Amino acid sequence: NAGVMQNPRHLVRRRGQEARLRCSPMKGHSHVYWYRQLPEEGLKFMVYLQKENIIDESGMPKERFSAEFPKEGPSILRIQQVVRGDSAAYFCASSEIGGAGANVLTFGAGSRLTVL
Amino acid sequence: AQKITQTQPGMFVQEKEAVTLDCTYDTSDQSYGLFWYKQPSSGEMIFLIYQGSYDEQNATEGRYSLNFQKARKSANLVISASQLGDSAMYFCAMREGFSGGYNKLIFGAGTRLAVHP
Repeated sequence: NAGVMQNPRHLVRRRGQEARLRCSPMKGHSHVYWYRQLPEEGLKFMVYLQKENIIDESGMPKERFSAEFPKEGPSILRIQQVVRGDSAAYFCASSEIGGAGANVLTFGAGSRLTVL
Repeated sequence: AQKITQTQPGMFVQEKEAVTLDCTYDTSDQSYGLFWYKQPSSGEMIFLIYQGSYDEQNATEGRYSLNFQKARKSANLVISASQLGDSAMYFCAMREGFSGGYNKLIFGAGTRLAVHP
């Protein structure tokens, strides 16, 4: 049973370009989360999605960032017109059901974005 | 406001000894969950242990135990018999009960643990 798959693992973009990060949740998981980790910091919640629905995007910057989880295919985190401050590790996580009890998130290995 | 505080940026421990990593939290909710994750140098996030706010027993998972002191709002991670492979960043995190029933976690800044032979 494959875990949470993220790609690319490393992505380099120049300022003003677009970055697309993909995430395939664990088999059977229908809840996807994106977290961002700035250098030397803990993870910060960005967005929570279920299939075809954004449930909570309170952690997403209002501009340039968007996320989707289509009916078919992986979840995508899209960053338009990247700036140096977007350089970070972006983690996708999935869970089988909503957060309750010992239900935990399973994280992917992360996508490390470097903006030149 | 909900908050997780890890006051130890770095810790050292000798191999085979026990080590305690501190975590305090702040929440006004009665129902919440506390987690510890390990992040080795390779970067992935590995779940270690979970404690629910209503759990009366401290959680244990192998060499990991969580010293849960509800009145003090602390959830310290204890690693017994440290191994070289335990060298990593350790993050404490909290899920508030009324976050809509999903895994919106608040993370601390982390503690970097180094295990010496």
